[in-house]
Amino acid sequence: GAVVSQHPSRVICKSGTSVKIECRSLDFQATTMFWYRQFPKQSLMLMATSNEGSKATYEQGVEKDKFLINHASLTLSTLTVTSAHPEDSSFYICSARALLDYEQYFGPGTRLTVT
Amino acid sequence: AQSVTQLGSHVSVSEGALVLLRCNYSSSVPPYLFWYVQYPNQGLQLLLKYTSAATLVKGINGFEAEFKKSETSFHLTKPSAHMSDAAEYFCAVSEGGGNKLTFGTGTQLKVEL
Repeated sequence: GAVVSQHPSRVICKSGTSVKIECRSLDFQATTMFWYRQFPKQSLMLMATSNEGSKATYEQGVEKDKFLINHASLTLSTLTVTSAHPEDSSFYICSARALLDYEQYFGPGTRLTVT
Repeated sequence: AQSVTQLGSHVSVSEGALVLLRCNYSSSVPPYLFWYVQYPNQGLQLLLKYTSAATLVKGINGFEAEFKKSETSFHLTKPSAHMSDAAEYFCAVSEGGGNKLTFGTGTQLKVEL
């Protein structure tokens, strides 16, 4: 149990365009989802926390108008990178947590390359 | 505020040798501690977790970790390394269950023949 999927696994987009990444909890209801960013050979940095049905809470330094997060249902959260630039190229990983659960379950990640 | 320090960004061991990956934490409340493993271009897999129960925690793939409050440490060990253990390992802390995780900078484990 506790499987989280991400789609797409890899995406290449042109500078200035927007790209949407989906994160789904497949076998449980995720009341909270987290979005992380990981640069090559570096650790995961939390970008934002989203609770189902409410606005996401962004970490300091993360532009909320650039990284749009929607958590409209208990099984789906989306991250939209708007007006992408090459410096947005990174590995984006989501995780999901059920209500009253302390453990986060991680998705396989999405490799974004902006050309 | 919570933080994690992983000493040694790269650790190399021989196959069959002891694996020791170090993790020290800082937390203003009793912490929840986690070790994750990441293979290239993949997400994170939970190895083990400490949630204020037994201080010696056993995880998957023969790994274990001991919570030492006096040393604020949660080092990861495995008695005998296998080639398949080569990966990136992250220690993480959460202040209370369900709160956000703060990750260490990771340790790349290399296993040599």
